[in-house]
Amino acid sequence: QVQLQESGPGLVKSSETLSLTCTVSGGSIRNYCWSWIRQTPRKGLDFIGYICYEGSGGGSTNYNPSLGSRVTISVDPSNNRFSLQLTSVTAADTAVYYCARGGGTPDVWGTGTTVIVSS
Amino acid sequence: DIVLTQSPATLSLSPGEGATLSCRASQSVDNYLAWYQQKPGQSPRLLIYDVSNRATGTPARFSGSGSGTDFTLTISSLEPDDFASYYCQQRSGWPRTFGQGTNLEIK
Repeated sequence: QVQLQESGPGLVKSSETLSLTCTVSGGSIRNYCWSWIRQTPRKGLDFIGYICYEGSGGGSTNYNPSLGSRVTISVDPSNNRFSLQLTSVTAADTAVYYCARGGGTPDVWGTGTTVIVSS
Repeated sequence: DIVLTQSPATLSLSPGEGATLSCRASQSVDNYLAWYQQKPGQSPRLLIYDVSNRATGTPARFSGSGSGTDFTLTISSLEPDDFASYYCQQRSGWPRTFGQGTNLEIK
């Protein structure tokens, strides 16, 4: 069955860029939309955005307006993975980050990766 | 943003009892309401989508109901494995939003 695995640095300095990758195994990335969601004890679960693969290596995206222009989600179909970039991070971006399949009701989730923003 | 308010925040019950969890939306989400279960240290697991459809692998003791702004997740007879946190989530509007969760604990 489809499995997702997040990877990336667990510690990011304040004002720098958080970069995470989600590798999809057991299925193709080409047939679905793919999301990033984060969770903190204070704010709970927060939808960051999603990308839907549209061929020619690209995809359509939808980002949470609360993150403004700080977020970019991209897809790499040749390696069956997709990525998150979040710029100008602050302590408020400290969270467990999940990748998931689906842009509406995600049905398969990665195990999550903790990212701490340090000053 | 559509705000989802879950109640109660904590529910203390015993195995074998029935559980009723509520989720109220700040505006209509049509039938685009899902429920997730999350255990400590794990990622959320989809239980119910579009109000009442059980996801693959969801036991029949879990059922969802409601429409518009008021929704319910019912667990007919609690098993020890059911004690966890539960979240509702809507896909009617953007951004997708989650409720703050109900913690179902063993009494």
